[in-house]
Amino acid sequence: KQEVTQIPAALSVPEGENLVLNCSFTDSAIYNLQWFRQDPGKGLTSLLLIQSSQREQTSGRLNASLDKSSGRSTLYIAASQPGDSATYLCASQGNMLTFGGGTRLMVKP
Amino acid sequence: SAVISQKPSRDICQRGTSLTIQCQVDSQVTMMFWYRQQPGQSLTLIATANQGSEATYESGFVIDKFPISRPNLTFSTLTVSNMSPEDSSIYLCSAIGADFSRELFFGEGSRLTVL
Repeated sequence: KQEVTQIPAALSVPEGENLVLNCSFTDSAIYNLQWFRQDPGKGLTSLLLIQSSQREQTSGRLNASLDKSSGRSTLYIAASQPGDSATYLCASQGNMLTFGGGTRLMVKP
Repeated sequence: SAVISQKPSRDICQRGTSLTIQCQVDSQVTMMFWYRQQPGQSLTLIATANQGSEATYESGFVIDKFPISRPNLTFSTLTVSNMSPEDSSIYLCSAIGADFSRELFFGEGSRLTVL
């Protein structure tokens, strides 16, 4: 059974800092890995999708990498802003979808 | 990308009543799912909504409590039956796009408070 773990569970940084969120998974037989953002009380917004054959994807200040062999993905956020404050979730898609527990990010002005 | 509309976005309900949440996708999708997110928790899969047949429920969820319909490829409903305060959660509809990427999309969620 796939297990997805996100570290840290919570993170507080000053505005402008670059930061890395981590996601690890136990079964490398995945079709893709997806990163989401969730604001309090809202649904999930898809940020980046990495296919199993890809190494990374970029969108603006966000860069996500995937290393299937080590069972790891990272989400890099450059020059963080207070508006980036949210919970970030990763999800692996193989035979089933498995979510990590999320990282709650607070960016302080 | 697919846009998923859910309604109601929020509701306050009385104990013992039932509420139906609707989910409409604006493009072709393959699979549709219903999730529950209790306060401060991650997502829990309730069931996979199957077109034209009974939904596939996860352990701990039953059809009598959470009846689901999916009459066509782009529409599904979830009913929360005989509600109790423990059912107060955000209920999220999601779908996998029909293209090769299999990207997962979510609705905005329906926040239920049961008094």
